[in-house]
Amino acid sequence: LAKTTQPISMDSYEGQEVNITCSHNNIATNDYITWYQQFPSQGPRFIIQGYKTKVTNEVASLFIPADRKSSTLSLPRVSLSDTAVYYCLVGDGDSNYQLIWGAGTKLIIKP
Amino acid sequence: DAGVTQSPTHLIKTRGQQVTLRCSPKSGHDTVSWYQQALGQGPQFIFQYYEEEERQRGNFPDRFSGHQFPNYSSELNVNALLLGDSALYLCASSLAGELTLGYTFGSGTRLTVV
Repeated sequence: LAKTTQPISMDSYEGQEVNITCSHNNIATNDYITWYQQFPSQGPRFIIQGYKTKVTNEVASLFIPADRKSSTLSLPRVSLSDTAVYYCLVGDGDSNYQLIWGAGTKLIIKP
Repeated sequence: DAGVTQSPTHLIKTRGQQVTLRCSPKSGHDTVSWYQQALGQGPQFIFQYYEEEERQRGNFPDRFSGHQFPNYSSELNVNALLLGDSALYLCASSLAGELTLGYTFGSGTRLTVV
């Protein structure tokens, strides 16, 4: 099975840019890399998804190198409300259906 | 366009009882996956349903069972509840063959076993 690795926690300050990296080996060659945000007692909320290079939407950017063995979620100018747990999700390279979750990065934004 | 809907949002059960949780997938999705998330932990995959059959299963005992209906909605059943079954149960829907593309979660059902 594929395996993912994320930092357990990160701290930052309001207005700063935050980058969270997820390392993932043996991921499905035809699948996307997806990041979710989760607040306590809520379901994960989709943030951004990409296949390779760089993807940007209104809330984040996602950088994926050519070898797709990692991905970096970039949150520009964070605010207190960005305090949450962030997960990366990838498809397993050995299975047509198996999804592999990162352990989650608890991001704490300070004023 | 409705997203994934789960019911109930909260419930409390006694040890040994049985519980049924329900999930309606996002419009256009045909695959439903269930997860258990203990407090402070990441989601743990229970099983996935496609074409009314269990397509794959995580490391959960047979006390956990499910069903998918012709309209793609799904139920998760847990028998002989244990205190350790207390968790947030998440349902995610997707389109078969798309893996993570469009993978959408509901808000979850908070189950407390006392």
